[in-house]
Amino acid sequence: DAKTTQPNSMESNEEEPVHLPCNHSTISGTDYIHWYRQLPSQGPEYVIHGLTSNVNNRMASLAIAEDRKSSTLILHRATLRDAAVYYCILGTTDSWGKLQFGAGTQVVVTP
Amino acid sequence: NAGVTQTPKFQVLKTGQSMTLQCAQDMNHNSMYWYRQDPGMGLRLIYYSASEGTTDKGEVPNGYNVSRLNKREFSLRLESAAPSQTSVYFCASRRTEFEQYFGPGTRLTVT
Repeated sequence: DAKTTQPNSMESNEEEPVHLPCNHSTISGTDYIHWYRQLPSQGPEYVIHGLTSNVNNRMASLAIAEDRKSSTLILHRATLRDAAVYYCILGTTDSWGKLQFGAGTQVVVTP
Repeated sequence: NAGVTQTPKFQVLKTGQSMTLQCAQDMNHNSMYWYRQDPGMGLRLIYYSASEGTTDKGEVPNGYNVSRLNKREFSLRLESAAPSQTSVYFCASRRTEFEQYFGPGTRLTVT
């Protein structure tokens, strides 16, 4: 299975953008890139997903490198509520939705 | 909509005791999942059910059994609890190929 590499932690000031990198150099052509986040003492929640093109939704943007070996989740204006562990996950549409979580990136937001 | 609900929220068991963790979703999703999360780690898939009447093993199925009672409910049973099963257990259901909704979790301690 293709794996992802993320930094252990990142810090940001409130109302500033946060760029969360993810490396996935062994990604296959059918792997989608998913991002989930987990707030303290809660279950994970879906953030965004993409295949090749950059994607935007109300929560975040996903920038995917042209060779697809890396991607970046962008939180445009961090709030205290964005403090969470962010997981970058690869998966295909024929994997029955099974998600393989790594350790993720702990995002700390400072007022 | 309650989303994904899990009971109980907390449980303490002695080694060798059995218990069933309950999960229900009211979103009419076909696929459901059980994950465990050990301290400081990402989630690992225990079992999943692609549709009513089917179940399959995930990454760490040993020591667990599951039942997909109907489309709404997916239970996880520990027949003989061991200290290594101390963890937080999350149930999830899948809205699309890419979006899973997670419950609030059950914090289980086995002494």
